[in-house]
Amino acid sequence: EDKVVQSPLSLVVHEGDTVTLNCSYEVTNFRSLLWYKQEKKAPTFLFMLTSSGIEKKSGRLSSILDKKELSSILNITATQTGDSAIYLCAVEAVGDSNYQLIWGAGTKLIIKP
Amino acid sequence: KAGVTQTPRYLIKTRGQQVTLSCSPISGHRSVSWYQQTPGQGLQFLFEYFSETQRNKGNFPGRFSGRQFSNSRSEMNVSTLELGDSALYLCASSLAGYQPQHFGDGTRLSIL
Repeated sequence: EDKVVQSPLSLVVHEGDTVTLNCSYEVTNFRSLLWYKQEKKAPTFLFMLTSSGIEKKSGRLSSILDKKELSSILNITATQTGDSAIYLCAVEAVGDSNYQLIWGAGTKLIIKP
Repeated sequence: KAGVTQTPRYLIKTRGQQVTLSCSPISGHRSVSWYQQTPGQGLQFLFEYFSETQRNKGNFPGRFSGRQFSNSRSEMNVSTLELGDSALYLCASSLAGYQPQHFGDGTRLSIL
């Protein structure tokens, strides 16, 4: 059965710290891995990683895909209170005629001032 | 470019009633997916519609149904509501099913 596991489930750090969130997966026919940030409502897209794009960076956020280890990490440096959110990981797996998106349970990140 | 629009934002119903939620995708997006989100459960996939056809379906009972119109707008219907249906229902759209998906703010459904 395809699955995506995120760790830790929750994390509390102080402003200015660096955090690393993990996402591991077991799927057939992997196509991409996506990271989303969810504050109060709609998850907002952060990164998409594929075999041809295994590293992405945007400001203080960066993500790496390790296809050998079937995992990805999301790094946030110099954290700010605005980074407090649930971070969701999803993996796209391709079937014969369609695709499916398998979601992890999320990591709840709390940044203390 | 307008984002994904979901209506209504909040809804209160009682057990046994039915409800219809609406989702307007980003212009040009033909794929619409629906999710149920409850605390501690993450995003649970309900179904995906593409060109008015249900292309993917999650493991939800038949009380949950949906449809998509020719303009790509989608509706989700839940019949015979149960207390456990209380959740945030999110809609996401994408170009032809390719990632990434873009989410609406959701409809918060409360069952009394």
